[in-house]
Amino acid sequence: GIQVEQSPPDLILQEGANSTLRCNFSDSVNNLQWFHQNPWGQLINLFYIPSGTKQNGRLSATTVATERYSLLYISSSQTTDSGVYFCAPPEWGNTPLVFGKGTRLSVIA
Amino acid sequence: GAGVSQTPSNKVTEKGKYVELRCDPISGHTALYWYRQSLGQGPEFLIYFQGTGAADDSGLPNDRFFAVRPEGSVSTLKIQRTERGDSAVYLCASSLMVRSSDYNEQFFGPGTRLTVL
Repeated sequence: GIQVEQSPPDLILQEGANSTLRCNFSDSVNNLQWFHQNPWGQLINLFYIPSGTKQNGRLSATTVATERYSLLYISSSQTTDSGVYFCAPPEWGNTPLVFGKGTRLSVIA
Repeated sequence: GAGVSQTPSNKVTEKGKYVELRCDPISGHTALYWYRQSLGQGPEFLIYFQGTGAADDSGLPNDRFFAVRPEGSVSTLKIQRTERGDSAVYLCASSLMVRSSDYNEQFFGPGTRLTVL
């Protein structure tokens, strides 16, 4: 099945800093989601991004499906950005998602 | 409700007991998914339903696990003869799967934390 690798595994930022999280996947995909899992365990949808670039406030994401990677940009980070960020493409088509191990982000004041 | 809901939020049981976990998807969503998340890992797929039928149950770890969705809305995940290794957070997601397109954004519930003593 499809393999998903995320980097870095852990990241510590000072409040206000910018960061880029990367997601590599082993096969072509027709959609991909980015999630933020907050400290209470809730998975929050950030982006549904099969290809191209999307922006939502301080966050933006880019997926280059032909090169099998996606990037999540966080600008002007805040302590509330802390948590684990997951990318998840489907195994194939519209099947269930395959998650990477995530990037654990800690933003300190 | 507006989002996916799951009950109970926490369940503590003893080894060998039977448990049921419930998921109420977003109204109108035809697809429903169960995932399991162990500490420090990403969620792993268990089973998914399209309507009332299980479209793919290849992620169920063994025959102690079973899930139903009799009316195409609420789903129940059932675990028989629980083992300590079943302890995890069980997540449910739903999506408005549109067969004529690739759009299939999944939305997750808050999860049920299962602890088997």
